[in-house]
Amino acid sequence: AQTVTQSQPEMSVQEAETVTLSCTYDTSESDYYLFWYKQPPSRQMILVIRQEAYKQQNATENRFSVNFQKAAKSFSLKISDSQLGDAAMYFCAYKPNAGKSTFGDGTTLTVKP
Amino acid sequence: NAGVMQNPRHLVRRRGQEARLRCSPMKGHSHVYWYRQLPEEGLKFMVYLQKENIIDESGMPKERFSAEFPKEGPSILRIQQVVRGDSAAYFCASSPGTVSYEQYFGPGTRLTVT
Repeated sequence: AQTVTQSQPEMSVQEAETVTLSCTYDTSESDYYLFWYKQPPSRQMILVIRQEAYKQQNATENRFSVNFQKAAKSFSLKISDSQLGDAAMYFCAYKPNAGKSTFGDGTTLTVKP
Repeated sequence: NAGVMQNPRHLVRRRGQEARLRCSPMKGHSHVYWYRQLPEEGLKFMVYLQKENIIDESGMPKERFSAEFPKEGPSILRIQQVVRGDSAAYFCASSPGTVSYEQYFGPGTRLTVT
């Protein structure tokens, strides 16, 4: 069974600084997708970034980038130039080609002004 | 193109009552997933449906919970005889097909059992 582990229940960062959120996963599949979602207090699940496992190049979306290490089954999220609006719960998720997503337990990110 | 819609957004039920949660997928999407988020936890898979067919219900509690996705109309997650432990946020996500990474989430329904 697939599992997703986020080992940092809470993280904090100073505004304008950089923070990295960790995620590891376990799977026997070779083709799959990895996601980072942001969940603000409104509870809406907002897709931050997506990585296809078959792509070696790390995905980037503006201030958000990932460090995808397929052999190590690691998928960390780096947030550069942190802003107050980045404060939220962040979830790492794994999805095979067909079927359900598996989520980690989340990391609460606090941004200090 | 409207996103995934869920209603109601908030639902309060007394213990023993029934809760019905609705999910309308994005236009053109024929696959629906239901997830439950307990307080301070991540989303946990419950059930995966295609129109008129349950594909994977491995995450559904064996009793009191059922789900359907009829040919016409929204997908419905039904919880009979609710208990306090059912209090959670229930999220629906839709996908255009079986083999797809795309999964678009609705805003969720917050169920409170008193």
